[in-house]
Amino acid sequence: QSVLTQPPSASGTPGQRVIISCSGNSSNIGTNYVYWYQHLPRTAPKLLMFRNNERRPGVPDRFSGSKSGTSASLAISGLRSEDEADYYCAVWIDSLTGPWMFGGGTKVTVL
Amino acid sequence: QVQLVQSGAEVKKPGSSVKISCKASGGAFRSFAFSWVRQAPGQGLEWMGGIIPVFDSPNYAQKFQGRVAITADASTGTVYMELSSLRSEDTAVYYCATDGEDWGQGTLVTVSS
Repeated sequence: QSVLTQPPSASGTPGQRVIISCSGNSSNIGTNYVYWYQHLPRTAPKLLMFRNNERRPGVPDRFSGSKSGTSASLAISGLRSEDEADYYCAVWIDSLTGPWMFGGGTKVTVL
Repeated sequence: QVQLVQSGAEVKKPGSSVKISCKASGGAFRSFAFSWVRQAPGQGLEWMGGIIPVFDSPNYAQKFQGRVAITADASTGTVYMELSSLRSEDTAVYYCATDGEDWGQGTLVTVSS
């Protein structure tokens, strides 16, 4: 069971906006940056957002991140079929050598 | 952007060990923070441990303490992860990653008698 809580699934039709939440506490999200990853089957996870709301170069601006207190969220606007994937929030605790906590993942389905 | 190339798939017997390599190119190897993350079938991502080669002091997830060893060879730009006392629950795809940004292609380890 993950320390960071995400809904197991989310869905939307093409063009809609989907928001994925990630809930933690004062010792993880509350005091550290949140990262978001997209994971497609049989591929390596891809970093989308770092430091809560900074988009990695090359990531479409349809993706945006935010953080408030002990929760964070990833929004996908203008949903597209290629956005269908698993999304994970993550937090580095203390240093880049970890520990590194992941949420349980949210499966986004494009209807 | 760093390129990470991992070693190939492995099939192991319960109780044995596996050692996976991750070769980095395109960056300052010694200053990267390398992590190992695994994904078991139907499960999420799980951090196992990390190392910064210039410090050469690995940090392990409590769950894997005593069973995992992460090492770095600066002369070849390669990081290794060895997991011992394998059990069926260790069947997973294992990934290396740098600074949380770039990831290897993954290595499937199957533990089966």
